[in-house]
Formats: sequence, C-alpha cells, structure tokens
Amino acid sequence: NAGVTQTPKFQVLKTGQSMTLQCAQDMNHNSMYWYRQDPGMGLRLIYYSASEGTTDKGEVPNGYNVSRLNKREFSLRLESAAPSQTSVYFCASQKVAGGWQETQYFGPGTRLLVL
Amino acid sequence: ILNVEQSPQSLHVQEGDSTNFTCSFPSSNFYALHWYRWETAKSPEALFVMTLNGDEKKKGRISATLNTKEGYSYLYIKGSQPEDSATYLCAFRGGADGLTFGKGTHLIIQP
Repeated sequence: NAGVTQTPKFQVLKTGQSMTLQCAQDMNHNSMYWYRQDPGMGLRLIYYSASEGTTDKGEVPNGYNVSRLNKREFSLRLESAAPSQTSVYFCASQKVAGGWQETQYFGPGTRLLVL
Repeated sequence: ILNVEQSPQSLHVQEGDSTNFTCSFPSSNFYALHWYRWETAKSPEALFVMTLNGDEKKKGRISATLNTKEGYSYLYIKGSQPEDSATYLCAFRGGADGLTFGKGTHLIIQP
C-alpha cells in the first residue's frame, strides 16, 4: 500500500496563476482532508470530504476549491494564487468521518511557493 | 475557532532524561484527542487516539494521559533518545469535521 500520495512535491507559481494539487489514497477510506501548515501555526483545515460526493469548508477555505473525484482522489485547486497561499499543503484520509477514534493518515506534503 | 494550545513550544532535553509536555483543549463537546509525531521532512504519524477521561496510553517509552473534564493531556517520554527528536502535535476532535491541531512542541534530544 502506498497510503496517501500527493503530487507535485514542490511547485513555484506566479501571482494569479492557477494550479491543482492532487491527492490519492489506496486504503479505501471514506473521508479525506486538506490542511495547510505555516511557520508558527498548527495544521489548519482548508476543506474536507466526509464521503464521496460531499465536500465542506474548514477553517481557512478562502481562495481554494476542492473536488472529490471518486473515493480515492481529492484535489485542491487554487484559481488565482496569491503570495499568502505560500505554504506546505498536506492531504490526509480517515476511514470514517464520524469515527472519532479513527486516526488520520497524512501524505508527504506539497510545498508551494507563490511569487 | 477552537483553541488547542501546546506547551512548551520547544524543548531541549539531554539524552537519557525523561520529559513531558502539555496539550490543552476545550473541555466541552469532546470526542477525541490525538497525538502525532512529526519528523522533519516527513508526514505526521499517529501515536495515540484517546477518548475517555482518565485514559492512559503507552507505546514503548512514550505514554499519554487524558483529562477531559479540565481539558488537558500530557505526553511523557521516558529515557529520551536522539530518534525521539521531532515535533509532537496534539489534535482535538469535537465532531465529524476534522481535527483542530495545536502548534506543536518541538523536541530536540541532545546527545
């Protein structure tokens, strides 16, 4: 099992450019999450998908959109990148959204630099 | 926005010494408290998920306790080793909509 995979690992964008961060999991998990991690801050939830076909906003959703393409894949899109979106982005998955004893499994992260 | 605080922010410990650090979280609407270990250039990895007041979990030299009534959890490391150097994150679950993470405690073990 590869677990949670993310592409790309690193990306440089110019202000105003768009891009999609890809995430896939092979653990047959129902729930998937996107977090961003900034210096001096904890991991902050951007969007999540409790199950295939549903998505919901987290703590910091502005400037992002998501698509739960199927059970395996959950993508994060930046339509018009801004320097404030320079961050490390982590995707995570969990077997069941309401399973509060369930652990989240994290991908390796995507480092994004917006100039 | 939920308030999950971890202290201290960073900690230098001599190899062989024991150490502990704290996570405080809201005492209402508690579902679970997670601890993760995050090594540099890697992904966070789960250590413990704790759900019941008074819970105590142990994994090798690392253990954790939980007090949901007063809203805190302690993580203990006994006989620290260089490989314990990492950032330790706690995360509060108050429902189905994801975890709220603290900023972490950055632990450095000095040989």
